[in-house]
Amino acid sequence: AQTVTQSQPEMSVQEAETVTLSCTYDTSESDYYLFWYKQPPSRQMILVIRQEAYKQQNATENRFSVNFQKAAKSFSLKISDSQLGDAAMYFCASILQGAQKLVFGQGTRLTINP
Amino acid sequence: AAGVIQSPRHLIKEKRETATLKCYPIPRHDTVYWYQQGPGQDPQFLISFYEKMQSDKGSIPDRFSAQQFSDYHSELNMSSLELGDSALYFCASSPRTSGTHEQYFGPGTRLTVT
Repeated sequence: AQTVTQSQPEMSVQEAETVTLSCTYDTSESDYYLFWYKQPPSRQMILVIRQEAYKQQNATENRFSVNFQKAAKSFSLKISDSQLGDAAMYFCASILQGAQKLVFGQGTRLTINP
Repeated sequence: AAGVIQSPRHLIKEKRETATLKCYPIPRHDTVYWYQQGPGQDPQFLISFYEKMQSDKGSIPDRFSAQQFSDYHSELNMSSLELGDSALYFCASSPRTSGTHEQYFGPGTRLTVT
């Protein structure tokens, strides 16, 4: 069974600073994908970044990057130069190769202080 | 770019009534997924369809049924509604052949059962 754990219910950061959100997961499979989704107050689920488990290189999308540690089953999200629009609930999620079901963590609520 | 369309956006029903939620995937996306997000919870996978066939099933109550039609849109039918069914229901879509396992979420239907 897959499990995804986000141990930080809430985080806050000053505008323009860097923040890292933590995520750990557990699976016995070797092929899987990891994602970070952003859910702003509108409740829309927005895909932020994707990481394939078979890739050693950490994914990067503009100000968003991940630190993927496969052996430790850790998948953290780093947001650089935080902006007010980054304020949202962030969900870590995983899916097995060939599967349909995304498994989400409990979420981390990120607050940006001006 | 076109996104996933869900209707209605808001729905209020009484206990024991029925509800039908509709989802129109992104053009050329042939796979549809349904998720339920309760208040303060992470999204939970309900069911998915590919080419009108159920492809995976999660924690979907027997009172719920769903189908995918020839134009790839999907409907989630919910009967004998209970107070606990009040939630945000997301539909997501993806192209089966993409290989990235990314799922693109619609804006959700907020169901309130009174």
